[in-house]
Amino acid sequence: VQLLESGGGLVQPGGGSLRLSCAASGFTFGNYAMSWVRQAPGKGLEWVSTISDTGGSTYYADSVTGRFIISRDNSKNTLYLQMNSLRADDTAVYYCAKDPRIYASGAYYFDYWGQGTVVTVST
Amino acid sequence: QLVLTQSPSASASLGASVKLTCTLSSGHSSYAIAWHQQQPEKGPRYLMKLNSDGSHRKGDGIPDRFSGSSSGTERSLTISSLQSEDEADYYCQTWGTGLWVFGGGTRLTVL
Repeated sequence: VQLLESGGGLVQPGGGSLRLSCAASGFTFGNYAMSWVRQAPGKGLEWVSTISDTGGSTYYADSVTGRFIISRDNSKNTLYLQMNSLRADDTAVYYCAKDPRIYASGAYYFDYWGQGTVVTVST
Repeated sequence: QLVLTQSPSASASLGASVKLTCTLSSGHSSYAIAWHQQQPEKGPRYLMKLNSDGSHRKGDGIPDRFSGSSSGTERSLTISSLQSEDEADYYCQTWGTGLWVFGGGTRLTVL
């Protein structure tokens, strides 16, 4: 199993946008729910968003609801996070993570993680 | 409210054992958790899922030195025969309906 995030960078606050990607390999991507988890500098892990195996169900943390959109393309084995209206407190390393259950939705734990991509929201 | 509480830091000597504890909020004693390890400058790594009865399921390649136990609302991770590469942050994680929760993490120092 390999999860490789990309798309991070420096963006200005107050309206800036970024789109993160997570390329998955080593497993049947379309069978598993996937998530984004972030870690602000010097802080702990914070769950951001989860999408079910088919993409039919999505979940968001209150801190990003209405600003972030999670999606997936199972034909490309890729998970996405569209981040809009970025704020300084969105600055973090963003990790994608895999659910261990096949054909499942809803909350659970993560059995594989990527190495992360850095998002910096600053002037 | 579903909350996980961890001590911010712990330390133990090389070759010794250490027990890290994660406490579930009151009323959630039946909940399972997962333990994740994050070595410096790396992404997290799944260690194990730990059930309320103490049974656990480890991730791929996790050595036998890592074990878990449960008592009431406490979920513990024990690392025996500590090695230098065990120096890391350890996070517990649980879940509920539409909810994913992490503890604040424990930084383990190997002396």
